[in-house]
Amino acid sequence: GENVEQHPSTLSVQEGDSAVIKCTYSDSASNYFPWYKQELGKRPQLIIDIRSNVGEKKDQRIAVTLNKTAKHFSLHITETQPEDSAVYFCAASRGQGDTGFQKLVFGTGTRLLVSP
Amino acid sequence: KAGVTQTPRYLIKTRGQQVTLSCSPISGHRSVSWYQQTPGQGLQFLFEYFSETQRNKGNFPGRFSGRQFSNSRSEMNVSTLELGDSALYLCASSLGIGEVPTSSGANVLTFGAGSRLTVL
Repeated sequence: GENVEQHPSTLSVQEGDSAVIKCTYSDSASNYFPWYKQELGKRPQLIIDIRSNVGEKKDQRIAVTLNKTAKHFSLHITETQPEDSAVYFCAASRGQGDTGFQKLVFGTGTRLLVSP
Repeated sequence: KAGVTQTPRYLIKTRGQQVTLSCSPISGHRSVSWYQQTPGQGLQFLFEYFSETQRNKGNFPGRFSGRQFSNSRSEMNVSTLELGDSALYLCASSLGIGEVPTSSGANVLTFGAGSRLTVL
């Protein structure tokens, strides 16, 4: 089955620096790659996602890149702020026809700490 | 609009007992998925329900079961609790039909706050 590896497990940066989190997936049929942010004691929240027909997507300080050939995708956060501190999860899934169902396979998470 | 609501938020049980957790999806969402989150195993898929039918199932033992009602609310049950069942149980809702996911955001999973189960 699908397996998603995520690195690093922890990442400490200074405010204003950039942060990069990398994931690899095993199922070449995966076509959807969301990133979730989970603050302490809170629910995972989608921050950005990308489909397999797109190589890069940006949303303000956040960007995601996808390399289908290498089966890699990465989250880039620029100009980090203390409120970016959280655990970030990558995930991969492939569509189940027109059922609208996606079984997300998650990475193990990256704890990002942004120091003022 | 109201988000995904899970109850109870916290509960403590002892080994051998059973537990039922509830999830109310976003209005209009017909698909409810359940995930188990533990420090050691991360987020793992349990099962998904759509229109009162289990459409997909993860690799969990039969002690984990669920159901969905006509109003799309879902419950999951864990019988004969074990210490290793201690976890945060998250449900997520989505439309459940059509291609996944669309550029408009349809069929994106929205998670509830979770039910934290402690088994003693």
